[in-house]
Amino acid sequence: AQRVTQPEKLLSVFKGAPVELKCNYSYSGSPELFWYVQYSRQRLQLLLRHISRESIKGFTADLNKGETSFHLKKPFAQEEDSAMYYCALGKGTYKYIFGTGTRLKVLA
Amino acid sequence: NAGVTQTPKFRILKIGQSMTLQCTQDMNHNYMYWYRQDPGMGLKLIYYSVGAGITDKGEVPNGYNVSRSTTEDFPLRLELAAPSQTSVYFCASSYSAGTSGRPPNTGELFFGEGSRLTVL
Repeated sequence: AQRVTQPEKLLSVFKGAPVELKCNYSYSGSPELFWYVQYSRQRLQLLLRHISRESIKGFTADLNKGETSFHLKKPFAQEEDSAMYYCALGKGTYKYIFGTGTRLKVLA
Repeated sequence: NAGVTQTPKFRILKIGQSMTLQCTQDMNHNYMYWYRQDPGMGLKLIYYSVGAGITDKGEVPNGYNVSRSTTEDFPLRLELAAPSQTSVYFCASSYSAGTSGRPPNTGELFFGEGSRLTVL
C-alpha cells in the first residue's frame, strides 16, 4: 500500500541545534516527494520538492530510495522554523498522499 | 492574485443539516482538490477535479458531493451532516503540464486557509 509515515508528532530542539524531521514512504513506482509547511496562522505551503534538489530557508531533503526515506534537515534551527511540517508523496500528476505531520518547536 | 479562497472559515452544523463549502481560485489551475484533516491525521483526499466538468472520488468521498462547472470554482457539498464529518477542510489547486505557455507540472499544491467544520 502507498503511504507516508512521519513517526514523530512533535519534535523540540533548541535554537542553533540541528534538526531532522523524518519521512518514510511506501510506493511501488518512482516517487515524487515534497515537504509542505504550515506556519502559525498561515496556509499550508510548499517548502521543497525532491526533484529540485534545492535548499529553502536552510532546509534540505535527500531522497534515499534504498531506505525509502525523504528526511528534512537543517543544520542550525531558528525560532522562526517552528511550524507544522508535512511530507507528501505524489502519485502521478495529481494525486498526493500526506503524512500525519510533525510539529517542530524551536526553543530559545 | 488572491490564490485559493475558501469560505466559510468556521461553521457549526447540527446533525442532518446540509451545507456547501465554497472554493475558488484565480490562478487558472486545471486541478482542484478537497482534503479533510482530522486531529492527529494526515490530509485525506475527498474529491478532486482535473478540469471543468470532470470530478472524481478520492479516498474518503462518502457523505460529500462536488461539482466543477467552471475552472475557478470547486464547491464541496455536505448532505446530511454527521459528527464524523467534524474536521478541517482544505481546498487546493495545481496546474498541469502541457498547458500552452506553462512550465511542466511541478507538483506544487496551492492551499486555501482551511474551513473548520463542527457537527453537533
